[in-house]
Amino acid sequence: EADIYQTPRYLVIGTGKKITLECSQTMGHDKMYWYQQDPGMELHLIHYSYGVNSTEKGDLSSESTVSRIRTEHFPLTLESARPSHTSQYLCASSSGSSYNEQFFGPGTRLTVL
Amino acid sequence: GENVEQHPSTLSVQEGDSAVIKCTYSDSASNYFPWYKQELGKGPQLIIDIRSNVGEKKDQRIAVTLNKTAKHFSLHITETQPEDSAVYFCAALLPGKLIFGQGTTLQVKP
Repeated sequence: EADIYQTPRYLVIGTGKKITLECSQTMGHDKMYWYQQDPGMELHLIHYSYGVNSTEKGDLSSESTVSRIRTEHFPLTLESARPSHTSQYLCASSSGSSYNEQFFGPGTRLTVL
Repeated sequence: GENVEQHPSTLSVQEGDSAVIKCTYSDSASNYFPWYKQELGKGPQLIIDIRSNVGEKKDQRIAVTLNKTAKHFSLHITETQPEDSAVYFCAALLPGKLIFGQGTTLQVKP
């Protein structure tokens, strides 16, 4: 069982609210990732980080932002949530080895009304 | 651009039969190909992977084959069981990130 945690697991909020999705891992992994998983199941990389103070945008454009102040913590923030942000958000982490096995958290199911 | 194509999108088999899921990738620089299983309400979990220096790898009822020339790789599950029902994702590693396939929903009927 991977030691990567996401909170909350489910979140229902109104349009315009600011939200932060939490992700923490206790494996000491340098690399962390956020994916958005749409109803058709496909995983889209929206943010990643190679270490503290490193953040990059992924392949799918997202209005969310991330920060990496501590190795174990990689929160994702939406300043003003909209219904189009309704989705499943998955956090993952991996070690610095070249073969990039990623460990996934359980996900946060976000619904914006 | 970089992409991974996965087929079929849904697969239904009878318990005890075999299941095969196929993926193709576009970037010849890819050298690591993991397969993930995602059960309802959970994040994906790695079930098997293969590196570009081998053509086949097996772990009990699960096997993966890789054809680097053709740029395709496949997941084979033998003697399927109802607990194999899940969504399966293939992926290919590019520098710094994994590119995932679209996913296959496998249903194993008792």
